[in-house]
Amino acid sequence: QSALTQPASVSGSPGQSITISCTGSSSDVGGYNYVSWYQQHPGKAPKLLMSDVSNRPAGVSNRFSGSKSGNTASLTISGLQAEDEADYYCSSYSNTAHWVFGGGTKATVL
Amino acid sequence: QITLKESGPTLVKPTQTLTLTCTFSGFSLNDAGGGLGWIRQPPGKALEWLAVIYFNDDRRYRPSLKSRLTIITDTSKNQVVLTMTDMDPVDTGTYYCAHKGLWLYNFDQWGQGTLVTVSS
Repeated sequence: QSALTQPASVSGSPGQSITISCTGSSSDVGGYNYVSWYQQHPGKAPKLLMSDVSNRPAGVSNRFSGSKSGNTASLTISGLQAEDEADYYCSSYSNTAHWVFGGGTKATVL
Repeated sequence: QITLKESGPTLVKPTQTLTLTCTFSGFSLNDAGGGLGWIRQPPGKALEWLAVIYFNDDRRYRPSLKSRLTIITDTSKNQVVLTMTDMDPVDTGTYYCAHKGLWLYNFDQWGQGTLVTVSS
């Protein structure tokens, strides 16, 4: 059982927007602005997409945005493209488990 | 440019100890605010954080695996070693090492990963 809860799958058509949620608790997501998001294509290593809830590392498309409300963080992908089809993982600092990941969400471009 | 590469056995027997080495370049373990972590991924499943060593030599482990994990550093060789004792088939998966972002709780650069299978 992952510490952070994500939907198993989300889907959208090219050009649309999709949002992936990541629900934790006051011990992790809700208590700290240390949520990160990672993108993983099949057979590849994860890639950092978002840091500290809403900060994009250099080189990451501005079609990706992050936010947080209470114990739930969200990653939104705008202008969905075929290359966005991948698995997405959230992660957070936790004052109980130190570092936790979500269960992952498979994003499908229809 | 930061690069990391994991190396170690591809097959271990149950009850054996796994030793994985992460060889890195482009940064120092002493870089203020930095560090190096280990993350694994069972086949078809989610990422699991295992351990991290910070620039100040603080070491943290996944609580459920703390008794089995040890991080050892060899700064002269730019290597970090992770050992996991008493391996079980459920420990099968791809093991990644990754650079921790400076003063950030993220992993901004990852190795390619190495698949470890636990089987007799």
